[in-house]
Amino acid sequence: DGGITQSPKYLFRKEGQNVTLSCEQNLNHDAMYWYRQDPGQGLRLIYYSQIVNDFQKGDIAEGYSVSREKKESFPLTVTSAQKNPTAFYLCASSQWVDRSDGYTFGSGTRLTVV
Amino acid sequence: AQTVTQSQPEMSVQEAETVTLSCTYDTSESNYYLFWYKQPPSRQMILVIRQEAYKQQNATENRFSVNFQKAAKSFSLKISDSQLGDTAMYFCAFMTLITQGGSEKLVFGKGTKLTVNP
Repeated sequence: DGGITQSPKYLFRKEGQNVTLSCEQNLNHDAMYWYRQDPGQGLRLIYYSQIVNDFQKGDIAEGYSVSREKKESFPLTVTSAQKNPTAFYLCASSQWVDRSDGYTFGSGTRLTVV
Repeated sequence: AQTVTQSQPEMSVQEAETVTLSCTYDTSESNYYLFWYKQPPSRQMILVIRQEAYKQQNATENRFSVNFQKAAKSFSLKISDSQLGDTAMYFCAFMTLITQGGSEKLVFGKGTKLTVNP
């Protein structure tokens, strides 16, 4: 079945460390997105990519970085510059030309700073 | 910038009853899409229903229906015959398909936590 796989499901990071969250899709979608979810805040867009080797900052990109070397993959790195990285992270994908079906989401990664 | 407002942080309903979740949005665009997503305790985001702004007819998916009032910029979700499995966070989301300052992406409200009681 086609879908989006996020790994790991739970991730623990020490202060000052960079960590990378994985997102892979086999839906042949052009666009991929990273959202951050905090209690009472809804979903906020971190980065998105419309096409391979291109990506754009979202509303809260500071302290994060991404790459899009393959259509299927859009990893997110949470750097030590991110002041409050503890959150639930959701990856999503969609067709870019026709986004009327909305997004397909992965099952998320819970990141905790210890 | 587009904004989506869900004014009810939490709601509860008895099993088999009907409940309506509110959503309002702000945009100057005329062509856009609206969505309701469900996030159960598993935290998997699931698309419940969508509405094209140019369609006057309200969308319906089984027990889920919307009341779309374009002039009022309102998009409420009605759940009929509520079931225990409907317990979840519900997010209203907006997207315009015109590439204009990043507005072509999904913008979410802060969510409504719905509890269905037995």
